[in-house]
Amino acid sequence: DQQVKQNSPSLSVQEGRISILNCDYTNSMFDYFLWYKKYPAEGPTFLISISSIKDKNEDGRFTVFLNKSAKHLSLHIVPSQPGDSAVYFCAASVWSSGDKLTFGTGTRLAVRP
Amino acid sequence: DVKVTQSSRYLVKRTGEKVFLECVQDMDHENMFWYRQDPGLGLRLIYFSYDVKMKEKGDIPEGYSVSREKKERFSLILESASTNQTSMYLCASLDRLNEKLFFGSGTQLSVL
Repeated sequence: DQQVKQNSPSLSVQEGRISILNCDYTNSMFDYFLWYKKYPAEGPTFLISISSIKDKNEDGRFTVFLNKSAKHLSLHIVPSQPGDSAVYFCAASVWSSGDKLTFGTGTRLAVRP
Repeated sequence: DVKVTQSSRYLVKRTGEKVFLECVQDMDHENMFWYRQDPGLGLRLIYFSYDVKMKEKGDIPEGYSVSREKKERFSLILESASTNQTSMYLCASLDRLNEKLFFGSGTQLSVL
């Protein structure tokens, strides 16, 4: 039972344009959400997070939006750069669970020069 | 700088062998995790540990065990390797203060 879903396995975007990566979750107990980026042959690295008390968090070119009623979050990258090409994982946790993260299946982003 | 080190980048083992995957972190973190990454399945949690000698099953613990004898080291053990355990294995430790998970570079295990 996949509690965190990323329905788009891949996305291709022109350099300079906006990339929007989507994530849906089913567990209403999740109250903390994160995005990780993964390059080939490397471990995932933390990108940005948001807690359920917020609906938006911004860090430079990266913004995460949370819609709790729809159990949906999205990552916006503006402007997209070729170095952003990677696999992006959405993750969620229940704050009191001891920080056990549940990850989505990942979306491979390709930014075309 | 934060460092999570996995002992091997690539490993090839035979069916039935006992396999040890080692992970060391240098940040004095209490929480450590083992995930496996498979195409189309994302990262799935195998086991995690809150402290020395403490362990908890994740979502897919079958066929695996773990050992945490020292705070900095968390080992994943495949008691009898099978071909369906061919995967990328990722170790992580948690910075609870900043709520960030730091990953090692991964071990690509092939079981033949």
